[in-house]
Amino acid sequence: ELKVEQNPLFLSMQEGKNYTIYCNYSTTSDRLYWYRQDPGKSLESLFVLLSNGAVKQEGRLMASLDTKARLSTLHITAAVHDLSATYFCAVDFFSGAGSYQLTFGKGTKLSVIP
Amino acid sequence: NAGVTQTPKFRVLKTGQSMTLLCAQDMNHEYMYWYRQDPGMGLRLIHYSVGEGTTAKGEVPDGYNVSRLKKQNFLLGLESAAPSQTSVYFCASRTLRKRNEQFFGPGTRLTVL
Repeated sequence: ELKVEQNPLFLSMQEGKNYTIYCNYSTTSDRLYWYRQDPGKSLESLFVLLSNGAVKQEGRLMASLDTKARLSTLHITAAVHDLSATYFCAVDFFSGAGSYQLTFGKGTKLSVIP
Repeated sequence: NAGVTQTPKFRVLKTGQSMTLLCAQDMNHEYMYWYRQDPGMGLRLIHYSVGEGTTAKGEVPDGYNVSRLKKQNFLLGLESAAPSQTSVYFCASRTLRKRNEQFFGPGTRLTVL
């Protein structure tokens, strides 16, 4: 059974600071996704990481994937209030039933304080 | 393109009632999924489909049934609703082409009294 662990689960940080969210997973996979969810809303795709060593950046967010360590990171640079949301990582795997499925972490609730 | 849509957005049921949630996508995606989201639990897969006429169980399938008679639609049914099924339900679709990105619908908030 694939397990996906995110930490921290809750993060309160000041504007302008940097921080990293970690996503560890238990089974071999070379594809990982990061999503953002605002309260009462759906999930918005942030990054799709498709290979070992992949690095993607968008604004103040940067995601990376190390498939050998089974670890992905989401780095926040100079946080601003608009980044307050819940962030999920999801690991892709090919099931025995012949399909791809995402297994999600429990999410990291980020609050950026002025 | 509407992307992934879900109907209804909100619903309140009494224990034992039945209902069907509809998911539709206009991206010609092969795969479709139903998830439930509960506080502190992330998203858990209920059922999924790899194509028209095929469905399979996910992590938490008990109490739910699904059908995919048309490629663009994926229905989730609750035959006899229970309070434990109070949750937010998300549908998603995906193609294995291009970036393998998975898109989510807006969600259905279901309360079972």
